[in-house]
Amino acid sequence: GENVGLHLPTLSVQEGDNSIINCAYSNSASDYFIWYKQESGKGPQFIIDIRSNMDKRQGQRVTVLLNKTVKHLSLQIAATQPGDSAVYFCAENNHQAGTALIFGKGTTLSVSS
Amino acid sequence: NAGVMQNPRHLVRRRGQEARLRCSPMKGHSHVYWYRQLPEEGLKFMVYLQKENIIDESGMPKERFSAEFPKEGPSILRIQQVVRGDSAAYFCASSAGQDAELFFGEGSRLTVL
Repeated sequence: GENVGLHLPTLSVQEGDNSIINCAYSNSASDYFIWYKQESGKGPQFIIDIRSNMDKRQGQRVTVLLNKTVKHLSLQIAATQPGDSAVYFCAENNHQAGTALIFGKGTTLSVSS
Repeated sequence: NAGVMQNPRHLVRRRGQEARLRCSPMKGHSHVYWYRQLPEEGLKFMVYLQKENIIDESGMPKERFSAEFPKEGPSILRIQQVVRGDSAAYFCASSAGQDAELFFGEGSRLTVL
């Protein structure tokens, strides 16, 4: 089968630290990857995406890195804040094949003040 | 511009009853996706619909589950003869096109007694 999201289930950091959340994928045909943030009782919220023709993309305080050689995706959050506490999911799909997004199991980020 | 609207937000059913979950996509969106999330799990793809068409139902259980997205009105996910294992959060997402960003609703939480 194909799995997305081998991960450490929980990451605890201090406010102001940088956070790195990792994700592995096994479908080499995937060409589009997204990170979502899900707060308790809410739906997933888009954070940042990256296509397979890139290896790095930066947003506001977040950076996504894609290593296609080892099929690894990471989300870096700079100067982590308490409001960043949530579950983070990576998701992948094959845009060309028109497949739906496949989600990993998620990593819970806890930020303490 | 209202986001993806799901209702009911919470639904309690007894075993054997039917559950109907509704999803109104964002204005202008004609693509709807349904996902199921068990506690402490990621989102599992169920079905992808466009107006009046089921595009991909590879994640739908073969029995008791059905989905529709009529020309007028919301998309409906219907679960017949519910069992305790159907208890989960059901999320709907919509997009303007197959390659466009997905926007998620807040989810409908089904509890089967």
